[in-house]
Amino acid sequence: DAGVIQSPRHEVTEMGQEVTLRCKPISGHDYLFWYRQTMMRGLELLIYFNNNVPIDDSGMPEDRFSAKMPNASFSTLKIQPSEPRDSAVYFCASSLRDRGIEELFFGEGSRLTVL
Amino acid sequence: QKEVEQNSGPLSVPEGAIASLNCTYSDRVSQSFFWYRQYSGKSPELIMSIYSNGDKEDGRFTAQLNKASQYVSLLIRDSQPSDSATYLCAVSGGYQKVTFGTGTKLQVIP
Repeated sequence: DAGVIQSPRHEVTEMGQEVTLRCKPISGHDYLFWYRQTMMRGLELLIYFNNNVPIDDSGMPEDRFSAKMPNASFSTLKIQPSEPRDSAVYFCASSLRDRGIEELFFGEGSRLTVL
Repeated sequence: QKEVEQNSGPLSVPEGAIASLNCTYSDRVSQSFFWYRQYSGKSPELIMSIYSNGDKEDGRFTAQLNKASQYVSLLIRDSQPSDSATYLCAVSGGYQKVTFGTGTKLQVIP
């Protein structure tokens, strides 16, 4: 079975530009999570969805960040405008409630560099 | 105070030794506890979960939980160079929100 698929794997952009990160969860999983990882702060939960509905977005750092899940097989995380401090690895993860929603399956991550 | 605290390491152990990784958490209502392994440049993968006080063994790995002390540990027996990675402690309060520590880097020296 295919795992969680993220794109792009690497993104280098200039400050002020819009960045869109994409995620396809594992088929049949009903939870989707967006995490950000930096050396200083580790893995931080940004937002998560249950059955395509956002449940908790308290980790979204600013209004510059937004996330959508238009259907069960696709989610986006958008940063507009981007800033150098947004540079990090962004992970998408999915889980299935019946297996215990905390068992997270992570994608390979999208490494974002904002110059 | 951070919600989940780990020593960043690196923790260096010789091949064949026992590696001991520790984690403390601040939220007393936490119910579920996990250890994820993350190789350099890769994504985290779940290796152990524990929900009740005591020990849970899986192969060379043993997770230990002490809720009274708010302490979780992971023991790796017969450490191998392939165990060299960052180990992330994760905690959930049962509200679908999993909080991670910043991880402990383990180096197993051949």
